[in-house]
Amino acid sequence: EAEVAQSPRYKITEKSQAVAFWCDPISGHATLYWYRQILGQGPELLVQFQDESVVDDSQLPKDRFSAERLKGVDSTLKIQPAELGDSAMYLCASSPVGGRARNEQFFGPGTRLTVL
Amino acid sequence: DAKTTQPPSMDCAEGRAANLPCNHSTISGNEYVYWYRQIHSQGPQYIIHGLKNNETNEMASLIITEDRKSSTLILPHATLRDTAVYYCIVRSVNNDMRFGAGTRLTVKP
Repeated sequence: EAEVAQSPRYKITEKSQAVAFWCDPISGHATLYWYRQILGQGPELLVQFQDESVVDDSQLPKDRFSAERLKGVDSTLKIQPAELGDSAMYLCASSPVGGRARNEQFFGPGTRLTVL
Repeated sequence: DAKTTQPPSMDCAEGRAANLPCNHSTISGNEYVYWYRQIHSQGPQYIIHGLKNNETNEMASLIITEDRKSSTLILPHATLRDTAVYYCIVRSVNNDMRFGAGTRLTVKP
């Protein structure tokens, strides 16, 4: 069964450093999402792509966070500089545009970031 | 999107049905009810969704009240592997998914 791939699974960094997370969605899925999940809370949407275009980045802290999906396939989320409060799980999800499955988002395993 | 209210935690005996409630009294006519679950250290997993009719799949059943202000997710025969956080979400098809804190279900032997 196809899955959303994310790497790395774990990342430890010091504050002020730059970090990057990678996501490879399920093949053929045009919509890609990045979420942040703080411990004990539900996931919070950061950015949504439709192919290579950003559909919604209203919750993305643009002073330090950036996301791209240049060829409309895989995606990178970057934080520069990282702050202590950025420690969280970063989840990527994808969904197809049409068909019944468009109602379902398929999540990857996430990247757990710890900022020291 | 309408907000949802779920109990923070529930216990269930293994082999028994787990009934997880969700209140969504401000749901709009075009908003669906979705359920996801998140097992520890994994990404959320889709379970089921519905608009106004009850739905059933291989994982669970979703019962939506006639006024659509509340719903119940039913796991008919809970196993230890069903221990997870269960999220109830209401959204229209093209709107983003807004997760709350969910219900932490613990299935006990």
